[in-house]
Amino acid sequence: EAGVAQSPRYKIIEKRQSVAFWCNPISGHATLYWYQQILGQGPKLLIQFQNNGVVDDSQLPKDRFSAERLKGVDSTLKIQPAKLEDSAVYLCASSPQGLSTYEQYFGPGTRLTVT
Amino acid sequence: AQSVAQPEDQVNVAEGNPLTVKCTYSVSGNPYLFWYVQYPNRGLQFLLKYITGDNLVKGSYGFEAEFNKSQTSFHLKKPSALVSDSALYFCAVDGGGSYIPTFGRGTSLIVHP
Repeated sequence: EAGVAQSPRYKIIEKRQSVAFWCNPISGHATLYWYQQILGQGPKLLIQFQNNGVVDDSQLPKDRFSAERLKGVDSTLKIQPAKLEDSAVYLCASSPQGLSTYEQYFGPGTRLTVT
Repeated sequence: AQSVAQPEDQVNVAEGNPLTVKCTYSVSGNPYLFWYVQYPNRGLQFLLKYITGDNLVKGSYGFEAEFNKSQTSFHLKKPSALVSDSALYFCAVDGGGSYIPTFGRGTSLIVHP
């Protein structure tokens, strides 16, 4: 079974520029998550999709961050414009439905550096 | 609001000795508890979970964790540590099965040869 794919793996941009990250979850996983992991901290949930609908985006800075999940499969996360404090690793995870199978499968992450 | 505390930033243990990584939580509703491990430059990997049933759950790589409702704890344990266990460990909680877990800050486990 293929894992969660993310691209790019690394990205360096200047502040005020825009950037986009892509995620392809495990086939058949209904739930998709985007997390922000700042160095020395645990992952912080930005947005959760169930199929192609948003379940929770309460911690997404909506003035600069946006995300979509196309046809309930792939997802993109965009930052526009970027700030220095957005430097972090952005993790995508997916999960099947059902409590008995409830666990998250994480991609390798995208390390963003904003200069 | 749900929360997780991992009180130790770092745990040091000698190879072959037992290890414990601590986690306490706060939720309203039944807790769903998870441990994940993160190796350098890699994404998080699932280790084990408690959803319901036996308080002692066994997971990957010989790890186990004990759910203690009265102490609101879910400590990760292994009887005999390996150098290869050295990594960052994260505890996570989901209160009531919302599928929205909250992660702790992580504990760095260092196993010395």
